[in-house]
Amino acid sequence: NAGVTQTPKFQVLKTGQSMTLQCAQDMNHNSMYWYRQDPGMGLRLIYYSASEGTTDKGEVPNGYNVSRLNKREFSLRLESAAPSQTSVYFCASRYDPQETQYFGPGTRLLVL
Amino acid sequence: AQSVTQLDSHVSVSEGTPVLLRCNYSSSYSPSLFWYVQHPNKGLQLLLKYTSAATLVKGINGFEAEFKKSETSFHLTKPSAHMSDAAEYFCVVSDLSRANNLFFGTGTRLTVIP
Repeated sequence: NAGVTQTPKFQVLKTGQSMTLQCAQDMNHNSMYWYRQDPGMGLRLIYYSASEGTTDKGEVPNGYNVSRLNKREFSLRLESAAPSQTSVYFCASRYDPQETQYFGPGTRLLVL
Repeated sequence: AQSVTQLDSHVSVSEGTPVLLRCNYSSSYSPSLFWYVQHPNKGLQLLLKYTSAATLVKGINGFEAEFKKSETSFHLTKPSAHMSDAAEYFCVVSDLSRANNLFFGTGTRLTVIP
């Protein structure tokens, strides 16, 4: 089991460029999540997908879109990157709302 | 809505001495609470969780936490710090009113001095 995997590990973008962060899990989990981590602020939820075919906004959804491609994969898209989106992005998954969330290794994004 | 407050942004202890990382929560009903650890440039790992069973929760690597409803606290402790404990620790609450989503504290960075 690889658990939760994320690609890429690191990315540099120029302001206005777009990119998609990929996340996959092989634990047959129903729910998947995207967070961002900024210094001194902990992790904040961007979007989540409680089950295949559904997505919902979290605390900080502005500037992002998501796609739950299938049960395994949940992608995060930045259509027009801004320096304020410089952050470390974590994907997570869990089987159901009562269970533990498992986190991926993170993607470090720098927007210049 | 539920929230957590981590009272110290940075804690420094000597190797072999006790660790105390403080967390207070705010909740309108019985919360689920967690402690996660993040080692440098790594993802997050669950240390322990409280889900309304025993109030003293034992986790991995010798850590434990006690849920105190009267004090609205969920402090993390370890009797003897090890160098490998140096990391960032997050207190986390699960909010039943928001799909049991997790809400993180701002983190406490633990430094262990040899």
